[in-house]
Amino acid sequence: GAVVSQHPSWVICKSGTSVKIECRSLDFQATTMFWYRQFPKQSLMLMATSNEGSKATYEQGVEKDKFLINHASLTLSTLTVTSAHPEDSSFYICSARDSVLSHNEQFFGPGTRLTVL
Amino acid sequence: DQQVKQNSPSLSVQEGRISILNCDYTNSMFDYFLWYKKYPAEGPTFLISISSIKDKNEDGRFTVFLNKSAKHLSLHIVPSQPGDSAVYFCAASWGAQKLVFGQGTRLTINP
Repeated sequence: GAVVSQHPSWVICKSGTSVKIECRSLDFQATTMFWYRQFPKQSLMLMATSNEGSKATYEQGVEKDKFLINHASLTLSTLTVTSAHPEDSSFYICSARDSVLSHNEQFFGPGTRLTVL
Repeated sequence: DQQVKQNSPSLSVQEGRISILNCDYTNSMFDYFLWYKKYPAEGPTFLISISSIKDKNEDGRFTVFLNKSAKHLSLHIVPSQPGDSAVYFCAASWGAQKLVFGQGTRLTINP
């Protein structure tokens, strides 16, 4: 149980285009999902907290107009990187918290490697 | 402001021996601590957690110890196996809020 999927697993795009990443909880309902990014050899940096049916809460320094988050259902959250630039190239990871079971365990997706040319 | 710190970026242990990974935190409000294991280009995998009301939690080869007075926790893996080679992150939270991660420690198990 507690499986989280991400799609796509990797994407290469041209500068200026937008990229959408999907995060799904496959066998549980997640009222809260989280989006992280990780640069090489660094820790996971929380970008935003996504609550089903409401606006996401962004961490300081993260542009909400740049990184659009939608959490339309209890099993799906999407992150759209708008007008991507090379500095947005990173490893993006989502996580989900089981609404019923977990105290505070977050279950992570496999990540999406974004490369912006 | 690094609230959760893993001061050892890497650790090398011989197969069969005990691996001890350490983590320090500064925020006394943290009430829940977790350890995650991560392979390159993959998402972290939850390993074990501990509530602040406990000082030890054990699950198979993994044991987490919490010393609240020292604001320190550690993960013990015994016996260490080659498949344990990965990056280990400790994380902390309070009031079921967001997780704060440490920088990670790369564990290498040598045959």
